[in-house]
Amino acid sequence: EAQVTQNPRYLITVTGKKLTVTCSQNMNHEYMSWYRQDPGLGLRQIYYSMNVEVTDKGDVPEGYKVSRKEKRNFPLILESPSPNQTSLYFCATHRYIAWGDAEWDYGYTFGSGTRLTVV
Amino acid sequence: SQQGEEDPQALSIQEGENATMNCSYKTSINNLQWYRQNSGRGLVHLILIRSNEREKHSGRLRVTLDTSKKSSSLLITASRAADTASYFCATVRGGYQKVTFGIGTKLQVIP
Repeated sequence: EAQVTQNPRYLITVTGKKLTVTCSQNMNHEYMSWYRQDPGLGLRQIYYSMNVEVTDKGDVPEGYKVSRKEKRNFPLILESPSPNQTSLYFCATHRYIAWGDAEWDYGYTFGSGTRLTVV
Repeated sequence: SQQGEEDPQALSIQEGENATMNCSYKTSINNLQWYRQNSGRGLVHLILIRSNEREKHSGRLRVTLDTSKKSSSLLITASRAADTASYFCATVRGGYQKVTFGIGTKLQVIP
């Protein structure tokens, strides 16, 4: 079954304690992305990766790091979490579509989410 | 900043009625997508409409796109209680990595 697996599902941590949220996909998708979802703000992109060893900042990258050493995994790292990073986090994937590909008709595949609370 | 803005932010209807949600955006796009999210869960892709299309259907879903007004609408016909969820529009501009989500419309379908 094609899926995007995030772990953990829930996490409560204390300010400053480094943590990693994992994201793994079995669809051989090139593109992976992290979003955070906050009430009234919708989903905002944190980082994305277009392939192995290729990552770039989204709209709200401050306080986060990512790495893409393997195609299937795209972990989100919070080196020193703060309470304003309390949020619902989603990993999303997409297969590579060449620019101008008229057949692009796929949406993103999302993980189930990680609810993070930083106290 | 958010590219798509859904309207209304919340909608409550009776089962069997039609639900219409609107999305407005600011810049030119390649395509527009609609997603559904059950409470606290991941988003699920519903339908995609390209910038050169005006209308698209999928089951009980009908999506329209008006690029001159920079707006789209999602119509769910004959709604069911199971349609209760939040619905998001997402606009794609430039490459596929430039996807921006709106804030969402929370739909409640009362049995």
